Amino acid sequence: KQEVTQIPAALSVPEGENLVLNCSFTDSAIYNLQWFRQDPGKGLTSLLLIQSSQREQTSGRLNASLDKSSGRSTLYIAASQPGDSATYLCAVLNAGGTSYGKLTFGQGTILTVHP
Amino acid sequence: DTEVTQTPKHLVMGMTNKKSLKCEQHMGHRAMYWYKQKAKKPPELMFVYSYEKLSINESVPSRFSPECPNSSLLNLHLHALQPEDSALYLCASSQVSQSSYEQYFGPGTRLTVT
Repeated sequence: KQEVTQIPAALSVPEGENLVLNCSFTDSAIYNLQWFRQDPGKGLTSLLLIQSSQREQTSGRLNASLDKSSGRSTLYIAASQPGDSATYLCAVLNAGGTSYGKLTFGQGTILTVHP
Repeated sequence: DTEVTQTPKHLVMGMTNKKSLKCEQHMGHRAMYWYKQKAKKPPELMFVYSYEKLSINESVPSRFSPECPNSSLLNLHLHALQPEDSALYLCASSQVSQSSYEQYFGPGTRLTVT
């Protein structure tokens, strides 16, 4: 059974700092990995999707990497801003086993960027 | 247009009521999903529709009844719910393709069962 772990559970940083969020998964049989952002009480916003054959994706100040063989992904946020404060969720789309075709989510990292 | 819409935004219902949640997308996606999210937890998959047919039911109680009347619409019919069913209900959609599967989520319906 796929398990996704995100570290740290919470992170508080001053504005302007560069930061890294970590995601690990136990089963490397995945189609892709998505990073989402969720504001309190709101839906999920897709930030980046990395296909299993890719190593990284970039969008603006965000960069996500994927090492499928070691079961790890990182989300790098450059020059953080208070508006980046949210919960960040990592999810893998499973390509095998009983979770085939399903997204498995991590527990999320709660990010607070203070002015 | 990469938008998934959900109505209503908020719903309060008693345990004897019958209500429905609605989800709509116009991205041409042929897979649609219902998720349930409790506070401070990640979303949990409930149902998956592929080409308007139910393909996955994650052992959800029968008081939740999904319906996909066409490729753009997804409903969730609610009946005789329990207070522990109070949660944020999220709808998502995606293409049905091994090369993509990127899921787009709606804003959710906040359900309170009294």
